[in-house]
Amino acid sequence: AQSVTQLDSQVPVFEEAPVELRCNYSSSVSVYLFWYVQYPNQGLQLLLKYLSGSTLVESINGFEAEFNKSQTSFHLRKPSVHISDTAEYFCAVSFISHMRFGAGTRLTVKP
Amino acid sequence: GAGVSQSPSNKVTEKGKDVELRCDPISGHTALYWYRQSLGQGLEFLIYFQGNSAPDKSGLPSDRFSAERTGGSVSTLTIQRTQQEDSAVYLCASSPDGEVNSPLHFGNGTRLTVT
Repeated sequence: AQSVTQLDSQVPVFEEAPVELRCNYSSSVSVYLFWYVQYPNQGLQLLLKYLSGSTLVESINGFEAEFNKSQTSFHLRKPSVHISDTAEYFCAVSFISHMRFGAGTRLTVKP
Repeated sequence: GAGVSQSPSNKVTEKGKDVELRCDPISGHTALYWYRQSLGQGLEFLIYFQGNSAPDKSGLPSDRFSAERTGGSVSTLTIQRTQQEDSAVYLCASSPDGEVNSPLHFGNGTRLTVT
């Protein structure tokens, strides 16, 4: 069965520090991978996606994620976070009929 | 253009009552999904509609939950005889074609509180 695991439920960091939010998945078939972000009191928004091609994908606000097939991971990274990055981040795997989400990681950026 | 619209944004109901939650997908999107977001639980898939095909109901947690989509557009999620464990944020999403490589567009959700 396919599943998505986000290893950290909460990640507190200081502003301008690097951050990595971890995501692992299990699947016996090829998958498409996504990261969504939910800012406080808002709906989920697509942050970035891996469909094929280059295993490193980037978002417009400085986040990047790397698809690692051998480790079945799709970790999200940012070299220097801002206060405005405070949000909940969801890793998602899409296969067959619908998207399956991880439990989410709450990123809190402190001044 | 307009995004996915959900109503009401908040709903408080007494245990045992029925509730209806509404979702207006993005115009032209053929696929519509319902998810439930509980604290610390992530998003739980409930049901998926694609065009005129039979819906995928595999995520509905009990027979108290049902959903319909009229005219291939608006969808209503109905919870009968609500229980306290039904308290959660119910999210609706749509995609242009329901393909597995298509991102989902989410509404802001309906926060349901069962007292």
